[in-house]
Amino acid sequence: AQSVTQPDIHITVSEGASLELRCNYSYGATPYLFWYVQSPGQGLQLLLKYFSGDTLVQGIKGFEAEFKRSQSSFNLRKPSVHWSDAAEYFCAVGVYSSASKIIFGSGTRLSIRP
Amino acid sequence: SQTIHQWPATLVQPVGSPLSLECTVEGTSNPNLYWYRQAAGRGLQLLFYSVGIGQISSEVPQNLSASRPQDRQFILSSKKLLLSDSGFYLCAWRRRVGNNEQFFGPGTRLTVL
Repeated sequence: AQSVTQPDIHITVSEGASLELRCNYSYGATPYLFWYVQSPGQGLQLLLKYFSGDTLVQGIKGFEAEFKRSQSSFNLRKPSVHWSDAAEYFCAVGVYSSASKIIFGSGTRLSIRP
Repeated sequence: SQTIHQWPATLVQPVGSPLSLECTVEGTSNPNLYWYRQAAGRGLQLLFYSVGIGQISSEVPQNLSASRPQDRQFILSSKKLLLSDSGFYLCAWRRRVGNNEQFFGPGTRLTVL
């Protein structure tokens, strides 16, 4: 069955420091992969997505993610975080079907230390 | 451009009362529609999805139901709310063809007392 694992429930980094959020997936074929961000009390906003091609994907707000098939990973990175990056981050895998469902990880809450 | 609306934004209901949450999408036609629930401190659980008017698929057995009376309208309902129905409810849509990126609404915060 398809699944997404985000091993870090909560991460705190200092403002200006680099960030890496981990994501591992389980899927039998080449996946569609997503990273979404959710500010408190808000809906989800797409940061970036991978469908095919270049395995390093650039997204909004200075984020990037790298698809590594051999490790079944799709880690999210940012070279220098800003206080406004504090939020909940969700990794997700798209499932091929007529319904085109998305399976979400349990999320990683990011806090920024001033 | 496409937009997705949810209302109400917040709702406080007593146990045993009925529920109706509405989601509408503008600027597109024939979308796939989805209802998710996000319990406190947890990820997103897919509750229902719909690939067309009157077509509803349920992902998990529960106290809720969904309906799609119009192409761009998706309603989440309950006849009698339980305490465990509290959470943040998100509606999403995606285009029928192409990649399966989903676009999310602003959500409804439901508190059952």
